[in-house]
Amino acid sequence: KQEVTQIPAALSVPEGENLVLNCSFTDSAIYNLQWFRQDPGKGLTSLLLIQSSQREQTSGRLNASLDKSSGRSTLYIAASQPGDSATYLCAVRPDRGSTLGRLYFGRGTQLTVWP
Amino acid sequence: NAGVTQTPKFRILKIGQSMTLQCTQDMNHNYMYWYRQDPGMGLKLIYYSVGAGITDKGEVPNGYNVSRSTTEDFPLRLELAAPSQTSVYFCASSTQGRAFFGQGTRLTVV
Repeated sequence: KQEVTQIPAALSVPEGENLVLNCSFTDSAIYNLQWFRQDPGKGLTSLLLIQSSQREQTSGRLNASLDKSSGRSTLYIAASQPGDSATYLCAVRPDRGSTLGRLYFGRGTQLTVWP
Repeated sequence: NAGVTQTPKFRILKIGQSMTLQCTQDMNHNYMYWYRQDPGMGLKLIYYSVGAGITDKGEVPNGYNVSRSTTEDFPLRLELAAPSQTSVYFCASSTQGRAFFGQGTRLTVV
């Protein structure tokens, strides 16, 4: 069974810092990996999607990398802002198995950026 | 641009009561899912559907039922609510490997 782990569980930083959030998964047979943002009491917003054949994806100040063979992904946030404060979730979609398209989630990294 | 819509947003149930969590999507996605999120935990799959008339269990289906009569709607039914079902419930749909989530329903069973 796929297990997804996110480190650290929580992070509190001053505004302007560059951040790295880590995600690891136990089964490298994945179809893709998604990073989501979750604000308190809200749903999940997809930030970046990396296909298994890709090494990284970028959107604005966000950059996500994928090393499928070692079971790792990192989310890099440049020049962090207070508006980046949220919980960041990593989810992998398996390449095989009967549950088509389901995602396996980590527990998330709770990020606080203070002014 | 509605996407995935869940109702209600909040609900308090008494033990033994029943309710249906509604989920509808307007993107014509065949794949739909119900997840639950407990505090400090990752999302767990309850049920999923690959198209109208086709549903199957996820990893935590006990105490729940689903139906999929149309592509748009995927309601989740709780028959006899228990305190262990206190959670936040998310409905999602997906296409081409990308998942889209609703805003969630926060359910408390007392």
